[in-house]
Amino acid sequence: NAGVTQTPKFQVLKTGQSMTLQCAQDMNHEYMSWYRQDPGMGLRLIHYSVGAGITDQGEVPNGYNVSRSTTEDFPLRLLSAAPSQTSVYFCASRTGGGNQPQHFGDGTRLSIL
Amino acid sequence: DQQVKQNSPSLSVQEGRISILNCDYTNSMFDYFLWYKKYPAEGPTFLISISSIKDKNEDGRFTVFLNKSAKHLSLHIVPSQPGDSAVYFCAARNFGNEKLTFGTGTRLTIIP
Repeated sequence: NAGVTQTPKFQVLKTGQSMTLQCAQDMNHEYMSWYRQDPGMGLRLIHYSVGAGITDQGEVPNGYNVSRSTTEDFPLRLLSAAPSQTSVYFCASRTGGGNQPQHFGDGTRLSIL
Repeated sequence: DQQVKQNSPSLSVQEGRISILNCDYTNSMFDYFLWYKKYPAEGPTFLISISSIKDKNEDGRFTVFLNKSAKHLSLHIVPSQPGDSAVYFCAARNFGNEKLTFGTGTRLTIIP
């Protein structure tokens, strides 16, 4: 039962560097999304996708790009990392069709120096 | 503007007793509510949900109650077990909107 798999688990970047956080799910879920969790706050939506080729912005999209070329994968790109992007990032997926819960990966802990 | 609030940052309960976690919301458009449990260094794990057309949903030791007029929901865990020690997040979504709005979490500690 792989579910939602995120890589890497930890990453340290310097300001201005770019990187891609990987997310893959093996449940054939149509919907995928990225959240970030900061201390003392709930998770906040960055970007989401309702199917291959379709993406949209969430609550805090600035500084991040996404694409969805396959049902299974939904990578999150930081083009020029900033210290404010230090956070824990969670990927989630769910099946479509009404009230279905999101299922989360174990997260990527990202530090920007 | 925090639309989902969990006003108790922490809660301690004796093993075997009932744990009650509370959540308030302000957005009357929310129609689907979820509870997640989170252990350190892991992602949130879905526990139980409730649609706005219901006022109660049970799954084993877990029951969620929804009071729409008060914009309040609660999670009851009975009996509480040591493995229930975790951070619990309340979340809400409205129809047609993929965004889950989360509370800030309540850390539950079960005392043996």
